[in-house]
Amino acid sequence: GQNIDQPTEMTATEGAIVQINCTYQTSGFNGLFWYQQHAGEAPTFLSYNVLDGLEEKGRFSSFLSRSKGYSYLLLRELQMKDSASYFCARGGRRALTFGSGTRLQVQP
Amino acid sequence: KAGVTQTPRYLIKTRGQQVTLSCSPISGHRSVSWYQQTPGQGLQFLFEYFSETQRNKGNFPGRFSGRQFSNSRSEMNVSTLELGDSALYLCASSLDRGKNGYTFGSGTRLTVV
Repeated sequence: GQNIDQPTEMTATEGAIVQINCTYQTSGFNGLFWYQQHAGEAPTFLSYNVLDGLEEKGRFSSFLSRSKGYSYLLLRELQMKDSASYFCARGGRRALTFGSGTRLQVQP
Repeated sequence: KAGVTQTPRYLIKTRGQQVTLSCSPISGHRSVSWYQQTPGQGLQFLFEYFSETQRNKGNFPGRFSGRQFSNSRSEMNVSTLELGDSALYLCASSLDRGKNGYTFGSGTRLTVV
């Protein structure tokens, strides 16, 4: 992705909590999105942050700090089905600019 | 309501040929954007259309083009196909480019041989 950084891979245990970090270039910022993509499937929308702070949606939460160009996705009570790739994407002039994705492996 | 529909799902073409991919957005969505997904480069922005006008274009050669019709359906065309064009092509439609997110279609898997 263009100036969007996130870890390549993460491993966590079923039932645990995992935090996926994302840093992005702040110029032209128009919101930060998180998407989940299972292998062979389309990305699905998880969350959107445009103001600083935490947004919670069930087991998933997303945080944004605009001044720091930083976001994270927090997944609680991990389930095996959460094994997927997670992309942060910055909204802006070019619709969505994606990070390279974090492949999350949830182990029993 | 129906989601984003992309056709065809799979396509095999020969180098030098051209290909046209189709995307029908969610009813009421006027923004359609296209992305190329490859293992090495991730998701790369191709272009975005809004009300039949190309709003922005990514860093792809002129062989990649697109258009949007009055019913918001969009097509992208790739001419003079190269082996490196093999990828999953995804389109996404959006109502407001913001809090409702972009909804992706299932993609067209293009293989160039």
